[in-house]
Amino acid sequence: GQNIDQPTEMTATEGAIVQINCTYQTSGFNGLFWYQQHAGEAPTFLSYNVLDGLEEKGRFSSFLSRSKGYSYLLLKELQMKDSASYLCAVRPSNDYKLSFGAGTTVTVRA
Amino acid sequence: SAVISQKPSRDICQRGTSLTIQCQVDSQVTMMFWYRQQPGQSLTLIATANQGSEATYESGFVIDKFPISRPNLTFSTLTVSNMSPEDSSIYLCSVEIQRGETQYFGPGTRLLVL
Repeated sequence: GQNIDQPTEMTATEGAIVQINCTYQTSGFNGLFWYQQHAGEAPTFLSYNVLDGLEEKGRFSSFLSRSKGYSYLLLKELQMKDSASYLCAVRPSNDYKLSFGAGTTVTVRA
Repeated sequence: SAVISQKPSRDICQRGTSLTIQCQVDSQVTMMFWYRQQPGQSLTLIATANQGSEATYESGFVIDKFPISRPNLTFSTLTVSNMSPEDSSIYLCSVEIQRGETQYFGPGTRLLVL
């Protein structure tokens, strides 16, 4: 099976930076996705990494190291609206399905 | 991306009954999936909806309990049959416009079984 680990909860202050780590052990690798999910809503796509390195999109960045089976999502200049669950998902090689981590609930405090 | 709608958005049902959830996409997509998300949990894939053929179910999910249809490239249904309170969950449809690309999610259907 696929194993994807991320912390359960994180708390940070408005304006600060938070880094959400994700480690994975999967049968091959064909891409890693980050999704944001607000309470009671559907997941929305944030970022995609398939090659090593950093992908930056405004306040959000995602990093991947395939050799270490490791990714992180970096949220900068935190806003109250960033309070949500962040899901790490991996697509194993030769498979169209995504395997999801349990999600990290981020709470932003004033 | 794709615009995805689901009907109903929520429902309260009696045990032993069945509910059919519809997923409609505004453009043709290659892949359609159905997920379940139980309270406080992450997403669990139920099945891949295949156009013109039987769905591909994940371990622990069977066609008799979760029959799925996909008559064309923009529409799919999931039926939750003979419901019990354990089926109370959010059911989500997702799509990939082209296979292997980003998955986009519908708004979900909140189901409560009494």
